[in-house]
Amino acid sequence: NAGVMQNPRHLVRRRGQEARLRCSPMKGHSHVYWYRQLPEEGLKFMVYLQKENIIDESGMPKERFSAEFPKEGPSILRIQQVVRGDSAAYFCASSPQQGANTGELFFGEGSRLTVL
Amino acid sequence: KNQVEQSPQSLIILEGKNCTLQCNYTVSPFSNLRWYKQDTGRGPVSLTIMTFSENTKSNGRYTATLDADTKQSSLHITASQLSDSASYICVVSARAGANNLFFGTGTRLTVIP
Repeated sequence: NAGVMQNPRHLVRRRGQEARLRCSPMKGHSHVYWYRQLPEEGLKFMVYLQKENIIDESGMPKERFSAEFPKEGPSILRIQQVVRGDSAAYFCASSPQQGANTGELFFGEGSRLTVL
Repeated sequence: KNQVEQSPQSLIILEGKNCTLQCNYTVSPFSNLRWYKQDTGRGPVSLTIMTFSENTKSNGRYTATLDADTKQSSLHITASQLSDSASYICVVSARAGANNLFFGTGTRLTVIP
């Protein structure tokens, strides 16, 4: 049973380009969370999705950022017109059900975005 | 307001020594508390889970405690090893809410030879 798979592991973009980060949750998991981590800082919640639904996007910047988790395929975090401040590690986590019952999230290894 | 605070922010200890990391929370209603270990450049991995009725739980050299009355948890690491160098993150789950997980900012532990 493969773990949470994120790709790409490393992504370099120039200012103004688009970044797409993908996350395949663990088999059987229908809940996906995205977190951003700046160097030497903690994980910051961005968005929580279930299949085809955004449950909570309170941590997402209002502009340029979007996320989806389609019925088929991975969850995608999309950042349009990237700026240098978007440079960070983006972690995806999945759980088999809403985190409330167990609180356990299974994290991917992260995607490191560098904006030149 | 639901919050999780960890201390110290960073810690350096000699190999073989013990250390204790702290987590205070104001999350309510409380469901459980987890400690995660995040190695540099990796995703966090769960170490222990503490529910309301549990006071102490061990996982090898890691021992977590929970005081639900004072809303405090600690993670004690015994006989530290170089591989213990990592960030340790406290995550508290509430029993309600669509997004019910609250993260501390972590304690950065460095074990030196």
